[in-house]
Amino acid sequence: DAGITQSPRHKVTETGTPVTLRCHQTENHRYMYWYRQDPGHGLRLIHYSYGVKDTDKGEVSDGYSVSRSKTEDFLLTLESATSSQTSVYFCATRGQELAKNIQYFGAGTRLSVL
Amino acid sequence: DQQVKQNSPSLSVQEGRISILNCDYTNSMFDYFLWYKKYPAEGPTFLISISSIKDKNEDGRFTVFLNKSAKHLSLHIVPSQPGDSAVYFCAATDSGGSNYKLTFGKGTLLTVNP
Repeated sequence: DAGITQSPRHKVTETGTPVTLRCHQTENHRYMYWYRQDPGHGLRLIHYSYGVKDTDKGEVSDGYSVSRSKTEDFLLTLESATSSQTSVYFCATRGQELAKNIQYFGAGTRLSVL
Repeated sequence: DQQVKQNSPSLSVQEGRISILNCDYTNSMFDYFLWYKKYPAEGPTFLISISSIKDKNEDGRFTVFLNKSAKHLSLHIVPSQPGDSAVYFCAATDSGGSNYKLTFGKGTLLTVNP
């Protein structure tokens, strides 16, 4: 358990509004990831971070931006939410060197865009 | 292009019997494989993993088998218990690549009937 907290856990918003999801970790892990989970698609990587201020795109990054100003916080922003971004969002961190290939997940944020 | 495939969306077994979940991959660079378990309204939790230098890894009731030539892995659960009912995700990574990104399959819903 990497001490990952996602907030909010649930959010309903309207099309066109900006939304920010927060991921907070207490393990001082360097790598952090944002995924979305949709029926029939499994988990797909949106963005990831390999250090403070170091981020890169995943496979489904369009419409999303991220920021990492502190090791413990990784923010996912939907600049102008669309109905296609209704999903469950998971944050993950990568374990330390002995578990370097394992990612540990938060409990998720369920986002509905109406 | 789906690099990790779980071709069975669902599987139903009787309590006490063996559950076998399958996963195929196409990327020859993948050399580390993981299984995650996910209950509703929770984040995925790491279950078991295997490196490509092995063909089998056991942890209690869970065993993962890897067939590199066939690019196929399977998760065996023996004996299956009702608490094992969950969605199981197969994931793979190129551990020599950058940033330890995982590629996930779409998941298999396992139902263990009492």
